[in-house]
Amino acid sequence: GAGVSQSPSNKVTEKGKDVELRCDPISGHTALYWYRQSLGQGLEFLIYFQGNSAPDKSGLPSDRFSAERTGGSVSTLTIQRTQQEDSAVYLCASSFYDTGNTIYFGEGSWLTVV
Amino acid sequence: QKEVEQDPGPLSVPEGAIVSLNCTYSNSAFQYFMWYRQYSRKGPELLMYTYSSGNKEDGRFTAQVDKSSKYISLFIRDSQPSDSATYLCAMRVTGGGNKLTFGTGTQLKVEL
Repeated sequence: GAGVSQSPSNKVTEKGKDVELRCDPISGHTALYWYRQSLGQGLEFLIYFQGNSAPDKSGLPSDRFSAERTGGSVSTLTIQRTQQEDSAVYLCASSFYDTGNTIYFGEGSWLTVV
Repeated sequence: QKEVEQDPGPLSVPEGAIVSLNCTYSNSAFQYFMWYRQYSRKGPELLMYTYSSGNKEDGRFTAQVDKSSKYISLFIRDSQPSDSATYLCAMRVTGGGNKLTFGTGTQLKVEL
């Protein structure tokens, strides 16, 4: 069975451009998470989707960041007007709803803003 | 001050050694505690999770939680070069929407 799939795996973009990062969760998983990992930092929670409930957006660092999840499956994280401090690994994860302790991560999208 | 503190290392040990990795935390509401292993340029992989205080063993790995001290540990017995990775602790509160708070990770190198 396939794990969490993320694309692109690497992205270099110019400051001020918009980027979209895609996540395809494990089939059947109802919960989907985005985390950010900067150099020397732990994983930082960004946003959480669970089924048809309103997402928990409490971790999004600014209004330049947004995410959506279509059809309860694929999710897209969008960063508008990218800044150099946005350079990081963006990790997507998924789980069944009631096993939030068993969260499976993808390999991440490595974003570099130049 | 961060909610979860973890020594970044690097920690270097000889093959076969017992490794002790630790995290401290400040939020007494944390009830679920996890350990993840992350190889270079890979996503984190869940090793173990425990609920509240106590010990949990899985093969060569033992997780311990001491809520009174706000201190958690991961022990690796008979360490192998393949254990060389960054180890991240993570924790969450009950009903916290499955949002995990992570430590910064400890880099471990097991040498032949």
